[in-house]
Amino acid sequence: AQKVTQAQTEISVVEKEDVTLDCVYETRDTTYYLFWYKQPPSGELVFLIRRNSFDEQNEISGRYSWNFQKSTSSFNFTITASQVVDSAVYFCALRDMNRDDKIIFGKGTRLHILP
Amino acid sequence: EAGVTQSPTHLIKTRGQQATLRCSPISGHTSVYWYQQALGLGLQFLLWYDEGEERNRGNFPPRFSGRQFPNYSSELNVNALELEDSALYLCASSFRGRFYEQYFGPGTRLTVT
Repeated sequence: AQKVTQAQTEISVVEKEDVTLDCVYETRDTTYYLFWYKQPPSGELVFLIRRNSFDEQNEISGRYSWNFQKSTSSFNFTITASQVVDSAVYFCALRDMNRDDKIIFGKGTRLHILP
Repeated sequence: EAGVTQSPTHLIKTRGQQATLRCSPISGHTSVYWYQQALGLGLQFLLWYDEGEERNRGNFPPRFSGRQFPNYSSELNVNALELEDSALYLCASSFRGRFYEQYFGPGTRLTVT
């Protein structure tokens, strides 16, 4: 069965600190996609990144970076030098390519960046 | 370019009534997804439409249904409303293909009293 676990329900850090949001997934499929979304207080989810199961290369986009490790079934997200505008709920999601084709979201991590 | 739009923004219904929620995808997107975001439960996948057909549905009862129109816009219908249906309903669209990222609308807040 597929599952996405974001064990950190809520995190608070002081501005300019680095913070890592954890995502652990379960799937029996060998072909799948992982996503991260941001949901700011306004409510609209914003797409951040997509990664397929064959591409374990880490990615950096400005202050954001992602660490995908198939060996530990993890797809962690790090914000460097956090800013107050990073305060939001962050969701990790999994979609596999088998016939079931469910889209599974984690329960989200609420991130507070304190000024 | 216009994003995903949803209407209405808020909807208040009483138990037993029916609710209809609407979604217009980004131009060029043929897939529309519906999610329920209830407090404390994260996002729960409801329905996926592509090219006018229902492609998949989540673990929701049949009173949750919908359709996709030829212009790729979509409706979500919830019949016989129950109090626990109160939630934010999010619509997302994507290009055809299961590996594409989804772009979300602002949601419709449904309150059942």
